[in-house]
Amino acid sequence: GQSLEQPSEVTAVEGAIVQINCTYQTSGFYGLSWYQQHDGGAPTFLSYNALDGLEETGRFSSFLSRSDSYGYLLLQELQMKDSASYFCAVRDSDPAGTALIFGKGTTLSVSS
Amino acid sequence: NAGVTQTPKFRVLKTGQSMTLLCAQDMNHEYMYWYRQDPGMGLRLIHYSVGEGTTAKGEVPDGYNVSRLKKQNFLLGLESAAPSQTSVYFCASSSPLRTVYLHEQFFGPGTRLTVL
Repeated sequence: GQSLEQPSEVTAVEGAIVQINCTYQTSGFYGLSWYQQHDGGAPTFLSYNALDGLEETGRFSSFLSRSDSYGYLLLQELQMKDSASYFCAVRDSDPAGTALIFGKGTTLSVSS
Repeated sequence: NAGVTQTPKFRVLKTGQSMTLLCAQDMNHEYMYWYRQDPGMGLRLIHYSVGEGTTAKGEVPDGYNVSRLKKQNFLLGLESAAPSQTSVYFCASSSPLRTVYLHEQFFGPGTRLTVL
């Protein structure tokens, strides 16, 4: 089976930097991705890592270490609008390899 | 370009009733998925489809059936609703054209279902 672990809650203040960690156990690895969800709305894709290292997209960066089965999402210059739930996900090992398995999510609360 | 749409947005059912949730996408995506989201449980895959006329079971398929008669539509059916199926249901789609697209799923706004 496959499983992902991430903290349930993280709090931070505006302008700060926050890191949301994700550890995974998979039978096969096809990449780690991150999604954002505001107030129970539609989750939206943020980033994807297939190889070790850091991927940067504006204020958000995502890191992967395949040897440690570990990744993180880094949010810089936090803004109130970044308050949301963040999910890490891995591709399933189903024959088509198309489905994603999501972590339970991390709720980020940004205060002023 | 509407992306992924879901109908209805809200629904209240009584135990034992049946209903169908409709998902439609206008992005010509091959793959479509149904998830349920419960508090503290994240998104769990119910069923998915890799193309018109094909479906497969996900992590939590019991009590649900699906059909993909047209490429743009993916239907989720509850034959005999149970209170345990109270949840928010999300549909998503993706394209196989690039590896990242298999990770980049486009989600609909969700259907909030309550079973009494």
